[in-house]
Amino acid sequence: QVQLVESGGGVVLPGRSLGLSCGTSGFIFSDYAIHWVRQAPGKGLEWVAFISYDGSNEYYADSVRGRFTVSRDNSKNTVYLQMISLRAEDTAVYYCARDYGGDSGRFDSWGQGALVTVSS
Amino acid sequence: SYVLTQAPSVSVAPGQTARITCGGYNIRTKSVHWYQQKPGQAPVLVVYDDSDRPSGIPERFSGSNSGNTATLTISRVGAGDEADYYCQVWDTISNHVIFGGGTKLTVL
Repeated sequence: QVQLVESGGGVVLPGRSLGLSCGTSGFIFSDYAIHWVRQAPGKGLEWVAFISYDGSNEYYADSVRGRFTVSRDNSKNTVYLQMISLRAEDTAVYYCARDYGGDSGRFDSWGQGALVTVSS
Repeated sequence: SYVLTQAPSVSVAPGQTARITCGGYNIRTKSVHWYQQKPGQAPVLVVYDDSDRPSGIPERFSGSNSGNTATLTISRVGAGDEADYYCQVWDTISNHVIFGGGTKLTVL
């Protein structure tokens, strides 16, 4: 079945960098766009970034543009989120989610999430 | 940028019908999706494209979209439906995904 598994979370000092990975299985990875969505403790869902099926298009939330970079390796069925200049407000559970496709932008499968804590 | 507005909480007695709304300017022109999130778990898609249900989602979950309001309706509510519910759209102008603030459904 469709699976997405995030890894790479942890505790990081403000201003430092961290990378997340989203490994996938159970579907033809190169056919699907992938999103990153985060959720701060006790807060709602916040969309972070999008990468198209072939990596040719990337979109970012205003809150992370210029600091976060999304990429993918279709030979490894994996999406990455590189985060630099991290701030306390970036503390959240980060989910990767599969975009079903077409124009509606719905997320039909999600990973279990990876916790990123930015703290001194 | 486009904004989706949800009430923070909704309460309903067991067996009754819960209606969770999502307000947005001319939202009827967009495809609205709804997610259920239980504590400690990832969100789950329960309604997509305003009113369609993914396989495995009970018929008790339904959706509608008109004017400036989209609505998720859950009939015959049970304790297992207690969760946070989020509406979501894709804003094609900004190429951003927008989530509503979420509504906590409490079953009394």
